[in-house]
Amino acid sequence: DADVTQTPRNRITKTGKRIMLECSQTKGHDRMYWYRQDPGLGLRLIYYSFDVKDINKGEISDGYSVSRQAQAKFSLSLESAIPNQTALYFCATSDHGLITGELFFGEGSRLTVL
Amino acid sequence: TQLLEQSPQFLSIQEGENLTVYCNSSSVFSSLQWYRQEPGEGPVLLVTVVTGGEVKKLKRLTFQFGDARKDSSLHITAAQPGDTGLYLCAEVQGAQKLVFGQGTRLTINP
Repeated sequence: DADVTQTPRNRITKTGKRIMLECSQTKGHDRMYWYRQDPGLGLRLIYYSFDVKDINKGEISDGYSVSRQAQAKFSLSLESAIPNQTALYFCATSDHGLITGELFFGEGSRLTVL
Repeated sequence: TQLLEQSPQFLSIQEGENLTVYCNSSSVFSSLQWYRQEPGEGPVLLVTVVTGGEVKKLKRLTFQFGDARKDSSLHITAAQPGDTGLYLCAEVQGAQKLVFGQGTRLTINP
């Protein structure tokens, strides 16, 4: 089983619908992240959290919200989806500072907004 | 905001050839990571470089960090089809988050 699990893996929805992407991890890491990936743009940070009571905006947080329900769970919501939010979304975790640490990624959630 | 530029964006070569991909910044990196991403999967860390001038080797992959810590390169010797993937460099910002380049999509043809 994957250490970082994302659900759903694929989702097609319509403009204006509310969508939640969920992430759970069994690595015991405190830090969790949501990135989106678009062709030619690499990965861009949406939100990140260092513990249950900590939520931080990334570079592209507009139109998104997150909830850290527990150390192991971090969900991403699109309150009213729009077509330019069509992308591949990744959840990631880390156990400490990234100078010597690394991000561990889930397998991604592909979202299509029609 | 520091911008990371990777080049080339796309590279397609024959098995057995050598190649180099580059990651450049407008300012100094604190440290830099290289990841590889295969289709349908998330990126996986290959290496972290911290010290200017540092060279790290991972089998046929050689990573260099520029003396001024504003650039890095990944050299692959005798490329194999299994090296195919998206190679991403990422700068560590404030020890808290990674900022990624746009990636180099590498295809090794048998």
